[in-house]
Amino acid sequence: QVQLVQSGAEVKKPGASVKVSCKPSGYTFINYYMNWVRQAPGQGLEWMAVIYPPNGGTSYAQKFQGRVTVTRDTSTSTVYMELSSLRSEDTAVYYCARGGTSDWGPSDYWGQGTLVTVSS
Amino acid sequence: EIVLTQSPGTLCLSPGERATLSCRASQSVSSRYLAWYQQKPGQAPRLLIYDASSRATGIPDRFSGSGSVTDFTLTISRLEPEDFAVYYCQQFGSSLTFGGGTKVEIK
Repeated sequence: QVQLVQSGAEVKKPGASVKVSCKPSGYTFINYYMNWVRQAPGQGLEWMAVIYPPNGGTSYAQKFQGRVTVTRDTSTSTVYMELSSLRSEDTAVYYCARGGTSDWGPSDYWGQGTLVTVSS
Repeated sequence: EIVLTQSPGTLCLSPGERATLSCRASQSVSSRYLAWYQQKPGQAPRLLIYDASSRATGIPDRFSGSGSVTDFTLTISRLEPEDFAVYYCQQFGSSLTFGGGTKVEIK
């Protein structure tokens, strides 16, 4: 069955960076887009970025341009999201979510979420 | 950026009642690129509807989607206890955005 397993919770200080991993299984990794979506406590869903695994092509939400980097490692079938210059407002649960084969969505499978806490 | 506005923000209904949730886009969205999700506390979102009106695998037929261009609707024909949750619409035709969500709570 399809699963997306994310790395564990992180606590970071303001100004630091965090790198979250997402390891899919149960399907051919390179055939699907992968999105990153975050959710601050008590808030809605916010799309951050998407990657196309075959060539590593990415697209980022304007809000996060310059601060977020999404990469993939085809040898381990793992996707990574790195967010830099962290501030308290970045405290959120970060999800990876599988997209389509030819479109960014819809997202039929999601990771379990990774809580990132930014606190001094 | 296409802004999705969901209404109402909160819907207070009783089990067995019909729920009608609205998602309005600031620009035209092809139905192919409109989806709906359900999210319960502490859980990841779950895909309900794609292509504006197609149910995802395993989704009961009490959930239905409709609409086109800028106005889309998610309807739950008869609310079951497990349907009380937050619902989000999403478009991915021009970048990707989510609506702000509608919370369906028990009256």
